[in-house]
Amino acid sequence: EDQVTQSPEALRLQEGESSSLNCSYTVSGLRGLFWYRQDPGKGPEFLFTLYSAGEEKEKERLKATLTKKESFLHITAPKPEDSATYLCAVQAATSGSRLTFGEGTQLTVNP
Amino acid sequence: DTEVTQTPKHLVMGMTNKKSLKCEQHMGHRAMYWYKQKAKKPPELMFVYSYEKLSINESVPSRFSPECPNSSLLNLHLHALQPEDSALYLCASSQVLAKGGNQPQHFGDGTRLSIL
Repeated sequence: EDQVTQSPEALRLQEGESSSLNCSYTVSGLRGLFWYRQDPGKGPEFLFTLYSAGEEKEKERLKATLTKKESFLHITAPKPEDSATYLCAVQAATSGSRLTFGEGTQLTVNP
Repeated sequence: DTEVTQTPKHLVMGMTNKKSLKCEQHMGHRAMYWYKQKAKKPPELMFVYSYEKLSINESVPSRFSPECPNSSLLNLHLHALQPEDSALYLCASSQVLAKGGNQPQHFGDGTRLSIL
């Protein structure tokens, strides 16, 4: 059974205080790992796809990395507008279109 | 603004009502999805359409009936819902790869459904 575990559940940062969110996964043949951002009352917003170990993607203050067991979402010098819930999801080779989501990390960045 | 549009944004209905949720995308995606999301939980997959055909039904109760009239539209027909069906209903779409698997799913902002 595919599993995704995100940590921490919640994270409070001061503006400018860099940190990382973790997504650990077990999957039978990774087809892709996806990071999403979700604001309250909105749908998940796609951030990154990672396909193979060693891959990295960057967008503004966010950088996603992937190993064979986990992914990290690094947030550099965060701003209050980065506050959101960050969701990690995996797609397995045997699961067709299904995504297995983690429970998410709720990030709060204080000014 | 998202490229997947869902209407209505909010819906309140009684347990005996019939209503429909609508989703539209113009990105040329050939896979479309319905998800249910409860507060502080990740989205749960309900249905998947691929090339306008139902490909996945995650054992969803028959009071939820999906329909895909064409490649841009997805509906979810609701009838005789229960209070526990109150949730945010999300639609998503993605490209379908020839080698199997899909490109990232892009979500709409959902319909907030409340059952009285």
